Amino acid sequence: NAGVTQTPKFRILKIGQSMTLQCAQDMNHNYMYWYRQDPGMGLKLIYYSVGAGITDKGEVPNGYNVSRSTTEDFPLRLELAAPSQTSVYFCASRTSGAPYEQYFGPGTRLTVT
Amino acid sequence: QKEVEQNSGPLSVPEGAIASLNCTYSDRGSQSFFWYRQYSGKSPELIMFIYSNGDKEDGRFTAQLNKASQYVSLLIRDSQPSDSATYLCAGLGGSNYKLTFGKGTLLTVNP
Repeated sequence: NAGVTQTPKFRILKIGQSMTLQCAQDMNHNYMYWYRQDPGMGLKLIYYSVGAGITDKGEVPNGYNVSRSTTEDFPLRLELAAPSQTSVYFCASRTSGAPYEQYFGPGTRLTVT
Repeated sequence: QKEVEQNSGPLSVPEGAIASLNCTYSDRGSQSFFWYRQYSGKSPELIMFIYSNGDKEDGRFTAQLNKASQYVSLLIRDSQPSDSATYLCAGLGGSNYKLTFGKGTLLTVNP
């Protein structure tokens, strides 16, 4: 049981490049989330999904896109990378009902230069 | 805007002492609360959740919830240096879709 996995662990992008951060979970969770965490700051929700084919914006969606074609996978797409997107990105998942425990992946550290 | 606020840190306690971490929330619709521990450079790890008013104990950890005062706390008894981390408080909104996180409190336990 791998839980929530994320790839890559680290990535350096040049300004204007694009990339996809991968997230997968093997717990059959319906709900999945993408957060970013800047140094000394809390977690900011980028996008979330309550099931395959259903996604919605969080607090900071600009510059990102998501898709959810399967229950297991929830990739995050960065288009036209900017230095402001330098951050640590965490994917998380949980069940749709109680106890609502949410589990995080190990994170992707992204630097845009 | 729904917010979760945590007591400003950093918090420093000696080994063996009780560490007290506090959190207030603005969304009266929130019913479930979670405490995460995050070591430097690592992802948040769920350590406690609480739904009902009162106390919930798990080993050295006790979570307390007071819905009337909109207050959540985490007590760590017999603090160990390995407890040194940032602790994040989170509330699940009334829609049950997403967590709202506080900014975290950095705890240092000194040997």
